[in-house]
Amino acid sequence: DQQVKQNSPSLSVQEGRISILNCDYTNSMFDYFLWYKKYPAEGPTFLISISSIKDKNEDGRFTVFLNKSAKHLSLHIVPSQPGDSAVYFCAVYMFSGGYNKLIFGAGTRLAVHP
Amino acid sequence: DGGITQSPKYLFRKEGQNVTLSCEQNLNHDAMYWYRQDPGQGLRLIYYSQIVNDFQKGDIAEGYSVSREKKESFPLTVTSAQKNPTAFYLCASSPGNIQYFGAGTRLSVL
Repeated sequence: DQQVKQNSPSLSVQEGRISILNCDYTNSMFDYFLWYKKYPAEGPTFLISISSIKDKNEDGRFTVFLNKSAKHLSLHIVPSQPGDSAVYFCAVYMFSGGYNKLIFGAGTRLAVHP
Repeated sequence: DGGITQSPKYLFRKEGQNVTLSCEQNLNHDAMYWYRQDPGQGLRLIYYSQIVNDFQKGDIAEGYSVSREKKESFPLTVTSAQKNPTAFYLCASSPGNIQYFGAGTRLSVL
């Protein structure tokens, strides 16, 4: 049973436009959320995070929005650039059995074309 | 340079063979993790360790083993009991909420 869902396996966006990647989660107790970016044959790179006490966090071209009532978060990239083409993973931080771990979604492949 | 080093980058396993994937970090992080990624899927947690000499099974630990004898090192052994080992393996370390990943090892079966 997936606790973190990224329902769009792929997204294609024109260079300069906005990219919006979505993520849904099932457990209202989750309180820390992260986005990672991954290029082929490389490890994921941390991009941006948000705590449940906030509903928005910005870092340059990247903004993450959190809607706790809908159990939904989204990553906005403005403006999109060809170098943003990668797989984006949503992850939630979970404290379980005395240990901390991340639960990842399946990822969304973003293609930014000229 | 601080970071997480995984080796080898590519590894081939013969039938019935155990293989060990290396993960070393010089970030002084207490926590270390091993994940497996299959095509079209997210990362699934194999094992994790919060401190030296302690580790816990993740969601898909069967057929794998780990050790944590040093803070810097968290090797993963893929045993012959793992019937479908072909995947991309990722090691991570963390000082807290954010995990930082190595470049990965791609394991294939001959």
